[in-house]
Amino acid sequence: DQQVKQNSPSLSVQEGRISILNCDYTNSMFDYFLWYKKYPAEGPTFLISISSIKDKNEDGRFTVFLNKSAKHLSLHIVPSQPGDSAVYFCAASRGTASKLTFGTGTRLQVTL
Amino acid sequence: DAGITQSPRHKVTETGTPVTLRCHQTENHRYMYWYRQDPGHGLRLIHYSYGVKDTDKGEVSDGYSVSRSKTEDFLLTLESATSSQTSVYFCAISARSGYGYTFGSGTRLTVV
Repeated sequence: DQQVKQNSPSLSVQEGRISILNCDYTNSMFDYFLWYKKYPAEGPTFLISISSIKDKNEDGRFTVFLNKSAKHLSLHIVPSQPGDSAVYFCAASRGTASKLTFGTGTRLQVTL
Repeated sequence: DAGITQSPRHKVTETGTPVTLRCHQTENHRYMYWYRQDPGHGLRLIHYSYGVKDTDKGEVSDGYSVSRSKTEDFLLTLESATSSQTSVYFCAISARSGYGYTFGSGTRLTVV
């Protein structure tokens, strides 16, 4: 039972445009959400997080939006750069004192 | 990644043989995790530890065991490797459960 889903396995975006990566979850007890970025042959690295008391969190070019009623979150990257090409995983937990459940990942390719 | 090392980085082994993967940290973090990454499944939790000699099962623990005799080391053992255990294995650490994991660079295991 996949509690965290990323329905788009891949996404291609032109450099300078906006990249939008989506994530859905089924467990209404999740209240802390994170995005990780992974390059080939490396481990995932933390990108940005959001708690359920917020609906938006911004860090430079990266913004995460949370829609609790729809159990949906999205990661916006503006503007997209070639170095953003990677696999992005969303993750969720029940509070910060709980294990992370990861989604299946979306491979983003930013083209010139 | 700084503070966390996985060994070996690559391993090929035969079906039925025992295999041990090692995760070593220098951050003195309490929590340690083993995940496997497979296409279409994302990152799935195998086992985790919340302290020395304190471990628990994740969602895909069958066929795996772990040990943590020191804060800095978390070992993952495949007692009798099977082809379905061919995967990339990641170790992660965190100071608090669920909050901001730091991942190792991974071990690519092939069972032939």
